[in-house]
Amino acid sequence: VQLEESGGSVVRPGGSLRLSCVGSGFTFHNYGMSWVRQTPGKGLEWVCGINSNGGDSAYAASVKGRFTISRDNAKNSLYLQMSSLRADDTAFYHCAREGELFPAFDMWGQGTTVTVSS
Amino acid sequence: ELVLTQSPGTLSLSPGERATLSCRASQSVSSNYLAWYQQKPGQAPRLLIYGASSRATGIPDRFSGSGSGTDFTLTISKLEPEDFAVYYCQQFHNSPPKVIFGPGTRVDVK
Repeated sequence: VQLEESGGSVVRPGGSLRLSCVGSGFTFHNYGMSWVRQTPGKGLEWVCGINSNGGDSAYAASVKGRFTISRDNAKNSLYLQMSSLRADDTAFYHCAREGELFPAFDMWGQGTTVTVSS
Repeated sequence: ELVLTQSPGTLSLSPGERATLSCRASQSVSSNYLAWYQQKPGQAPRLLIYGASSRATGIPDRFSGSGSGTDFTLTISKLEPEDFAVYYCQQFHNSPPKVIFGPGTRVDVK
């Protein structure tokens, strides 16, 4: 039972990047999912979330209009399309599973690093 | 805008001691949507408590959560060596839908 992120990279300011997260060992389409980021030595910041069927999503104000969350339940996959990247988007990005019966993140991936730098 | 404040920023204690961590919300929130996480260096966060007081699967009973309204507490009754970590509170907020984390409390060895 795990989540595994990929796609992190070094990208120039203004650039784009797509992160992926694959879930295994559980019924992926039953769960809401989110992306949460963390800067080195700093705390956690929720980025965005999507409900179990992909029909509803929400974004933090800091990324709204630049990032898009999506999912493909047939592939047990969650995505984060990031565009107009800025230096302050540099962070470690985790995907996280929302509990089926309660509003909390009961499973986390180990994360992938995004560095925005010229 | 809802803000979560955690205190103290750092708590220095010895193994075997009791740890009391505070999370205060800038406005009254539903305890159903209050969670606590533990994070160790190089690891992803781990859910400890949801619904303010329910322990997640596999969490030892030395961890307990309480509170309502604007004031919530995570208590570790007797610190074990593996409990030295950073602890975050979190609130799911419905209108607009978003998730808010507190800044964290670091529990380190005295």
